[in-house]
Amino acid sequence: AQKVTQAQTEISVVEKEDVTLDCVYETRDTTYYLFWYKQPPSGELVFLIRRNSFDEQNEISGRYSWNFQKSTSSFNFTITASQVVDSAVYFCALSENPNSGYSTLTFGKGTMLLVSP
Amino acid sequence: KAGVTQTPRYLIKTRGQQVTLSCSPISGHRSVSWYQQTPGQGLQFLFEYFSETQRNKGNFPGRFSGRQFSNSRSEMNVSTLELGDSALYLCASSRRDRGTDTQYFGPGTRLTVL
Repeated sequence: AQKVTQAQTEISVVEKEDVTLDCVYETRDTTYYLFWYKQPPSGELVFLIRRNSFDEQNEISGRYSWNFQKSTSSFNFTITASQVVDSAVYFCALSENPNSGYSTLTFGKGTMLLVSP
Repeated sequence: KAGVTQTPRYLIKTRGQQVTLSCSPISGHRSVSWYQQTPGQGLQFLFEYFSETQRNKGNFPGRFSGRQFSNSRSEMNVSTLELGDSALYLCASSRRDRGTDTQYFGPGTRLTVL
């Protein structure tokens, strides 16, 4: 069975601190996709990034960066110089059966990030 | 391009009633998925529709059903509501791109069952 674990339930930081959100996944598929979503208090899940299992290259987008390591089944997310607007719940997700014609997301429990001024 | 829209945004119902939630996908997206989010269980997959056909279904009782129309709009229905059905119901639309779908979510419908 596919599983996503986000061990950090809640993280509190002060503005401008760097913060890393951990994500560990389990799958028996050789082809799979990993995602990060952000859920602000408004409730809408906002797509941040997608990675496939064949691409372990790390990615940086502005203050956001992602570290994908197949050897440890991890897909961690770092926010550099955090801002109050980064406060939200962040979800890591795994896509099942990408070759079946449909994709279903298995989500972790989420990490609530609170950035205080 | 307009995002995924969901109506209504908030609903209050009583036990035993039924409810219908609506989702309009992003233009050009033919796949619509539904998820239930609760504090205890987190985000759980309900079902997915593509071209008016249900392609995948999560582990929910038969009281939960859905459908998709020819314009890709989707509805989900919950009959005989229970207190435990109180949740945020999220709809996502997607289309295949480079091997898989990226799901884009709507703002959700918050259902409260009294």
